[in-house]
Amino acid sequence: NAGVIQTPRHKVTGKGQEATLWCEPISGHSAVFWYRQTIVQGLEFLTYFRNQAPIDDSGMPKERFSAQMPNQSHSTLKIQSTQPQDSAVYLCASSLGGQDTQYFGPGTRLLVL
Amino acid sequence: GDSVTQTEGLVTVTEGLPVKLNCTYQTTYLTIAFFWYVQYLNEAPQVLLKSSTDNKRTEHQGFHATLHKSSSSFHLQKSSAQLSDSALYYCALSPQGGRALIFGTGTTVSVSP
Repeated sequence: NAGVIQTPRHKVTGKGQEATLWCEPISGHSAVFWYRQTIVQGLEFLTYFRNQAPIDDSGMPKERFSAQMPNQSHSTLKIQSTQPQDSAVYLCASSLGGQDTQYFGPGTRLLVL
Repeated sequence: GDSVTQTEGLVTVTEGLPVKLNCTYQTTYLTIAFFWYVQYLNEAPQVLLKSSTDNKRTEHQGFHATLHKSSSSFHLQKSSAQLSDSALYYCALSPQGGRALIFGTGTTVSVSP
């Protein structure tokens, strides 16, 4: 069991550029979650999918953030026109669903200059 | 709205002494589960404890917690802190229906010799 895989582990972008973050959930897990972690805000929920369908994106900044799950083996989080305040660690987690334990990937550390 | 409160931002403790991290919550959900996650430096959060049963003690790796719905609490305790326990600890509520976790702000534990 490889756990949740996230790529890249580190990404540096210039202000205004696009960033795409990838997540491969644990095989067999039907729920995939995206969170953002900063020192100031802690862990914040962004969006989640169940059986590849978007269920709740209430935590997503609507204008520049989007997420997709084109198949059961990966999800992407895209940030358009990145801003310095987007700098954070973006964490992906997966679970079997319901109130089962969410297992986190190692995260992608995004730095926007 | 639903929320989780961790009152201590930093807890410092001497090795061998007991440590307690406070966690209280507010929720309108009838069915909830609770987690404690631990995050070591530059690593992903990993589950430490899980509980969904009122008044039942849950233990793992020397840590224990009991969900008390009467007082809306799920405090984490350990009788003898170890240097390796130095980390960031998050309390998290899992609402019914497999929604995203609601995290507290986190408590950093620093264990000194």
